[in-house]
Amino acid sequence: GENVEQHPSTLSVQEGDSAVIKCTYSDSASNYFPWYKQELGKRPQLIIDIRSNVGEKKDQRIAVTLNKTAKHFSLHITETQPEDSAVYFCAASNPPSGSARQLTFGSGTQLTVLP
Amino acid sequence: KAGVTQTPRYLIKTRGQQVTLSCSPISGHRSVSWYQQTPGQGLQFLFEYFSETQRNKGNFPGRFSGRQFSNSRSEMNVSTLELGDSALYLCASSLAMGDEQFFGPGTRLTVL
Repeated sequence: GENVEQHPSTLSVQEGDSAVIKCTYSDSASNYFPWYKQELGKRPQLIIDIRSNVGEKKDQRIAVTLNKTAKHFSLHITETQPEDSAVYFCAASNPPSGSARQLTFGSGTQLTVLP
Repeated sequence: KAGVTQTPRYLIKTRGQQVTLSCSPISGHRSVSWYQQTPGQGLQFLFEYFSETQRNKGNFPGRFSGRQFSNSRSEMNVSTLELGDSALYLCASSLAMGDEQFFGPGTRLTVL
């Protein structure tokens, strides 16, 4: 099955700096890569996703890049703010084969933005 | 549009008991997935339902089961509870299989 590794497990940055979180996946058939943000005591919220036919996607201060050859994808947050502090999860998903899409999650990165 | 809702939000049970958790998807969403979240194992996929049929199952024992109703609401059941079943159980709904998933607030299950 799919295996997703996420690094680093914790990340502290100064407010205004950039943060980068990296994930690698094992199944070359995976074609959907979402990123979720989970604040303490709250539900995971989808912040950005990318599909395998795209190399990069941007949404304001957040961007995701995908390297299918190397089987890794990264989340980039620029101009970090204290409210960006949360746990971030990457995930990878196999394409449906007459069945459902199963998300396999990374282990999470605790991002702390220091004021 | 109302988001995904889950009931109950908190539950305390003892070993050996069984529990049923409920998930109501976003209106119009037909796919519901269930995940278990623990500090040690992270977010792990349990199963996904679409059109009242289980379409995919994660690596969990048969004590974990679920179902989906014709209105897309879903329930999951855990029988013969063990201490290790203590976790946050999250459901996520999507418009159809393969679409982006939106999570509910979760049910925090504590097994004593």
